[in-house]
Amino acid sequence: AQKVTQAQTEISVVEKEDVTLDCVYETRDTTYYLFWYKQPPSGELVFLIRRNSFDEQNEISGRYSWNFQKSTSSFNFTITASQVVDSAVYFCALRGGTYKYIFGTGTRLKVLA
Amino acid sequence: GAGVSQSPSNKVTEKGKDVELRCDPISGHTALYWYRQSLGQGLEFLIYFQGNSAPDKSGLPSDRFSAERTGGSVSTLTIQRTQQEDSAVYLCASSSRGGTGGYEQYFGPGTRLTVT
Repeated sequence: AQKVTQAQTEISVVEKEDVTLDCVYETRDTTYYLFWYKQPPSGELVFLIRRNSFDEQNEISGRYSWNFQKSTSSFNFTITASQVVDSAVYFCALRGGTYKYIFGTGTRLKVLA
Repeated sequence: GAGVSQSPSNKVTEKGKDVELRCDPISGHTALYWYRQSLGQGLEFLIYFQGNSAPDKSGLPSDRFSAERTGGSVSTLTIQRTQQEDSAVYLCASSSRGGTGGYEQYFGPGTRLTVT
């Protein structure tokens, strides 16, 4: 069975703080793909990043960075120097050997000015 | 380019009425998904279309739900005899390929359905 766990339901930080959103996944597939999506208050999910199981290289995009560790089945997302515009619900998702995407329950991030 | 569009953006209907929700995927995207998101919850898979293949309807919650995709493009999700528990945001997503490739999905803005 495939599963994605986002244990943090809600996180509040003060602007300019760094924050890490955790994602732990379960799959028996050897080839799989991991994703992060952002859902701002407007409601539309926005694709942020995709990682393939055979590429454990971490990635940085501006203030965003992702840490993929197969040994711990984790794909964590860090926002550096958070801003109010980062306030949103963030979803981690997994796609294994089928076409189905398994989404976590999301982490609501509140960045306070 | 144009993203995934959905209509209507909001729909209020009386219990027992039928509703139709429309999704227009990104041009050229062969895979199309429908999800349901209840307030404060994650995404619940409903149905998957890939090209001209038979859809995977395994996520549809009851036989009151049906969906079709015409010409490999526009999709319509129909809910018959709506119930209050059908109230949710219905999201449509498309991706460039289906199969076993790990292609990211692009989501529409959703249709917020309220059954009174």
